[in-house]
Amino acid sequence: DAGVIQSPRHEVTEMGQEVTLRCKPISGHNSLFWYRQTMMRGLELLIYFNNNVPIDDSGMPEDRFSAKMPNASFSTLKIQPSEPRDSAVYFCASSQFPGQGMWPQHFGDGTRLSIL
Amino acid sequence: GQQVMQIPQYQHVQEGEDFTTYCNSSTTLSNIQWYKQRPGGHPVFLIQLVKSGEVKKQKRLTFQFGEAKKNSSLHITATQTTDVGTYFCAVTNTGNQFYFGTGTSLTVIP
Repeated sequence: DAGVIQSPRHEVTEMGQEVTLRCKPISGHNSLFWYRQTMMRGLELLIYFNNNVPIDDSGMPEDRFSAKMPNASFSTLKIQPSEPRDSAVYFCASSQFPGQGMWPQHFGDGTRLSIL
Repeated sequence: GQQVMQIPQYQHVQEGEDFTTYCNSSTTLSNIQWYKQRPGGHPVFLIQLVKSGEVKKQKRLTFQFGEAKKNSSLHITATQTTDVGTYFCAVTNTGNQFYFGTGTSLTVIP
């Protein structure tokens, strides 16, 4: 079975550029999560969706970050404009049922983002 | 605010030794999950604990939820090199907020 698929795996870009990260959750999963992982801050939940609807975006750092889930099989996380402090590994995860911590989350391989 | 600390932050053990990581919360929890992340990899779900005092085992791994539902532990018996990685707890508090712990990085020396 296909797991959570993220693209790109690596992204290097200059500050000020727009960055779009993509995620395809596991088919049939109803919840989708975006995380950011850095050495300093650990694993942070940015936003999560239930049935394509954003439920909690309190972890989104600032207005430069936005996330969408136009349908059950696709989500994007966009950073515009990007800054060097946005450099991190961004993970997407999905779970079968709604409820943040109530069900196992399945993570993608992540996107390693470097902003120069 | 919610604080979820894991101790120790790092642990180096000789292969065959036991290992324990602790997850401590400042508030009462509804449940707790444990994940393992190999170096360069992504977090992988291990287990979920819900009941006060609950103990679950997976081969050499033993997971325990504290009686007060504010802490948890993961114990590995006779570590192997395949156990290398970072172990995270992930908690849901009674306000339905969800947080990952700070993680414990385990190194196993052959």
